[in-house]
Amino acid sequence: GAGVSQTPSNKVTEKGKYVELRCDPISGHTALYWYRQSLGQGPEFLIYFQGTGAADDSGLPNDRFFAVRPEGSVSTLKIQRTERGDSAVYLCASSFGVPGTGQTQYFGPGTRLLVL
Amino acid sequence: AQKVTQAQTEISVVEKEDVTLDCVYETRDTTYYLFWYKQPPSGELVFLIRRNSFDEQNEISGRYSWNFQKSTSSFNFTITASQVVDSAVYFCALSEATGNQFYFGTGTSLTVIP
Repeated sequence: GAGVSQTPSNKVTEKGKYVELRCDPISGHTALYWYRQSLGQGPEFLIYFQGTGAADDSGLPNDRFFAVRPEGSVSTLKIQRTERGDSAVYLCASSFGVPGTGQTQYFGPGTRLLVL
Repeated sequence: AQKVTQAQTEISVVEKEDVTLDCVYETRDTTYYLFWYKQPPSGELVFLIRRNSFDEQNEISGRYSWNFQKSTSSFNFTITASQVVDSAVYFCALSEATGNQFYFGTGTSLTVIP
């Protein structure tokens, strides 16, 4: 079956602009996660959705970052007033069930965001 | 404090050599899960293995094997007879029963030289 897909694959924007990154999880996966990966680092957690609700947004760095999942499937990560420090690869993952039960997270190819 | 430590930043081996990637984790949970992912140059994280804290049996899958030792909080990954296609960044990750996220190490970049 289809894996996690993310669009766009690359995004170049200017400082101060607004961007939206989209994630389409594996069909049937109720849990969806966003991570951010900076160069030379491992992915860092941003937010977790169970169904339509953000069950844990403790990893969002500040209020410029926001994510939605209105119908419990596709999710959009929104970044307002982008800064150069936001440049990174944004990864989306999905899994069955709830976290903490050992469910494997399956990752998409990521969106490479470059803020000039 | 870092929950997952991968002390080896970069490793280079010649094809057909064996190589072991180290992973040390830290958690207070008694129930937790450990994972290894491979990130080839294309960038997508590929799941390799999952282990739960109650199963310390080592596992072998083809040329890959994993050694889980709770006594040393380690979950090491060995590739036998390495191949050029094994060149990638490998990440170890921890999931705790009380948490929602995966904690990743900083990764080990493996280069297999033909």
